[in-house]
Amino acid sequence: QSALTQPASVSGSPGQSITISCTGTSSDVGGYNYVSWYQQHPGKVPKLMIYAVINRPLGVSNRFSGSKSGNTASLTISGLQAEDEADYYCSSYTSSSTWVFGGGSKLTVL
Amino acid sequence: QVQLVESGGGVVQPGRSLRLSCAASGFTFSSYGMHWVRQAPGKGLEWVGVIWHDGSNKYYGDSVKGRFSISRDNSKNTLYLHMNSLRAEDTAVYFCTRDENHTGYEYWGQGTLVTVSS
Repeated sequence: QSALTQPASVSGSPGQSITISCTGTSSDVGGYNYVSWYQQHPGKVPKLMIYAVINRPLGVSNRFSGSKSGNTASLTISGLQAEDEADYYCSSYTSSSTWVFGGGSKLTVL
Repeated sequence: QVQLVESGGGVVQPGRSLRLSCAASGFTFSSYGMHWVRQAPGKGLEWVGVIWHDGSNKYYGDSVKGRFSISRDNSKNTLYLHMNSLRAEDTAVYFCTRDENHTGYEYWGQGTLVTVSS
């Protein structure tokens, strides 16, 4: 169960768009449409932002979108806002009936 | 509304055991698989394990396999994490979450801190 690969940090200016990648293998990200994304502010509980690759839970801004190509999933945040500054984690179901998280990406809004 | 409340955390010596609980309310507990996820101080999220809605199947992360076990009591709407042979690297906040047909974790508890230290 190797962790999914995410960039350690990403940054962007207010109003810009950023994309966070999440790379796995054909046994996890590439094999199932069970990729999810979480936002976590310091000291807070993780919040589900995207589920099943592309879906947003009720209440999540449409500035957040998800996609997948091959073994890499992506989270795109458009119209960056200061409140988007947080840690972001991807997760995927695996062929071993287990789950795996990415190492996390720290988003800085400049 | 869905509520998950973890308890049982604390300070424990290396090699000892501890049992965490997660009390669920606001939904039909026996219809959902449940997960444990942990986060070491200043580190990322790590999946610990899952138990099927009826307890028939359980799967664990490599770092806890053979030491941790998950159980549930559907009559009490409670999930458990039994942790044995604890190590310093098991120090973390432990969260319980509800399985949403494998698609993601929408509901999380507030977490309970386990500190393994002599």
